[in-house]
Amino acid sequence: AQRVTQPEKLLSVFKGAPVELKCNYSYSGSPELFWYVQYSRQRLQLLLRHISRESIKGFTADLNKGETSFHLKKPFAQEEDSAMYYCALIGSSNTGKLIFGQGTTLQVKP
Amino acid sequence: KAGVTQTPRYLIKTRGQQVTLSCSPISGHRSVSWYQQTPGQGLQFLFEYFSETQRNKGNFPGRFSGRQFSNSRSEMNVSTLELGDSALYLCASSLVGRTTDTQYFGPGTRLTVL
Repeated sequence: AQRVTQPEKLLSVFKGAPVELKCNYSYSGSPELFWYVQYSRQRLQLLLRHISRESIKGFTADLNKGETSFHLKKPFAQEEDSAMYYCALIGSSNTGKLIFGQGTTLQVKP
Repeated sequence: KAGVTQTPRYLIKTRGQQVTLSCSPISGHRSVSWYQQTPGQGLQFLFEYFSETQRNKGNFPGRFSGRQFSNSRSEMNVSTLELGDSALYLCASSLVGRTTDTQYFGPGTRLTVL
């Protein structure tokens, strides 16, 4: 079964602290992994995808196929990073079907 | 470029009624996907349309249906509404729905079933 698990509902850190949002997936194949973010009163938007191997707003994520994980990391959290973060996967190459995790609320305290 | 638009933004219905939600994708995008977002179940995939054809369907009852028009605009319909259908319904559009295409989400339609 295709599944994305984000074990933390809420992650609270102080400004300047490192952040790691965990994501584990279950999929029998080679999925594409994504992180989406939803800031307060804004639309859900793509933050980054594993195939791009890029850093967006200081965030990076590495796909670990052995551990089936795609954790999101940032070395120094900023208050403007406070948002809801969703990990998602697409299992097939010709589809727009995203399978989302339950989401983690990141709260960055001043 | 205008973003994905959804109408109406808010809707209140009673049990047993039916409802139609509309989604206008970004100009040039031909793939439209629909998702249901609830506090308990999170974001769940409903269906995806590409070139007026349903390409994928999630695990929702037949009361949930959709369609796509030749201009790529999409509608979803929920018949015989139940209390549990109360949710935020999001649509997302992308160029052709490949994994390399970025999906752009609309603001959602908040449906409340009384």
